[in-house]
Amino acid sequence: DGGITQSPKYLFRKEGQNVTLSCEQNLNHDAMYWYRQDPGQGLRLIYYSQIVNDFQKGDIAEGYSVSREKKESFPLTVTSAQKNPTAFYLCASSIPGQGSREQYFGPGTRLTVT
Amino acid sequence: SQQGEEDPQALSIQEGENATMNCSYKTSINNLQWYRQNSGRGLVHLILIRSNEREKHSGRLRVTLDTSKKSSSLLITASRAADTASYFCATGATGGGNKLTFGTGTQLKVEL
Repeated sequence: DGGITQSPKYLFRKEGQNVTLSCEQNLNHDAMYWYRQDPGQGLRLIYYSQIVNDFQKGDIAEGYSVSREKKESFPLTVTSAQKNPTAFYLCASSIPGQGSREQYFGPGTRLTVT
Repeated sequence: SQQGEEDPQALSIQEGENATMNCSYKTSINNLQWYRQNSGRGLVHLILIRSNEREKHSGRLRVTLDTSKKSSSLLITASRAADTASYFCATGATGGGNKLTFGTGTQLKVEL
C-alpha cells in the first residue's frame, strides 16, 4: 500500500527535552511538508522540502529543525527552544511542479509536553 | 500566515440537506483546494480548482471559484452522517511554489 506513515501517534515529553517525529512515505514524492495544527485553527507550515538534501523554513520554523537525507523520510525535531510545542503535527507529501499540487497527509502525531 | 478564512466556523444540518461552506483569500492564486479532516486524523484531498476555472464537480461536491472576489464555496449535496468532519480550503499562491496556505476550517455536523 502506498501512503505516508507518522509515528508515534501519541507522544509525551517533559519540558526541556528535544523530541523527533517520524514521517515516511512510499509514494515516490519529491516534496514533503510539516504542519502544526492547534485546536480551532488551520494548518501552519513549519518546514518543507522539495528535494533530497534541501529544505526551507515555513511560517513558523522557530524552535524546529528537519533533515532530508532520503527521499522517503522527513523527520521533524521539536527542540526545547519551541515555546509552546504541544500540538497536533501533520506530515504531507506531493509531486512538485509548476504551482501547488494535491498533498497527501499522514495520520498525524499528537505531541504533549508537560 | 493564514490566508484563507472560512465561513461559517461551524455548521449543523440534518441528513439529506445541502451544506455550503465559503472560503475567502487575500492574494493571487494558482489554484484552490478543499480538504476534509475527520477528528484526530490527517487531511484528505477532496477537489482542486484552478484559477482559470469557475466551477468544478466531483460526486456530491460542487466547488465554485470567483477570483474577482477572492472567494470559493464548497457545496455538499444530500449530506450524510458520514460527511461529519472539518473542511479546509487551501490556496496555492502565484509564485509560491508548492506551498499551500490553509484556512481555519468549517466544522460540519450532519445529524440523523
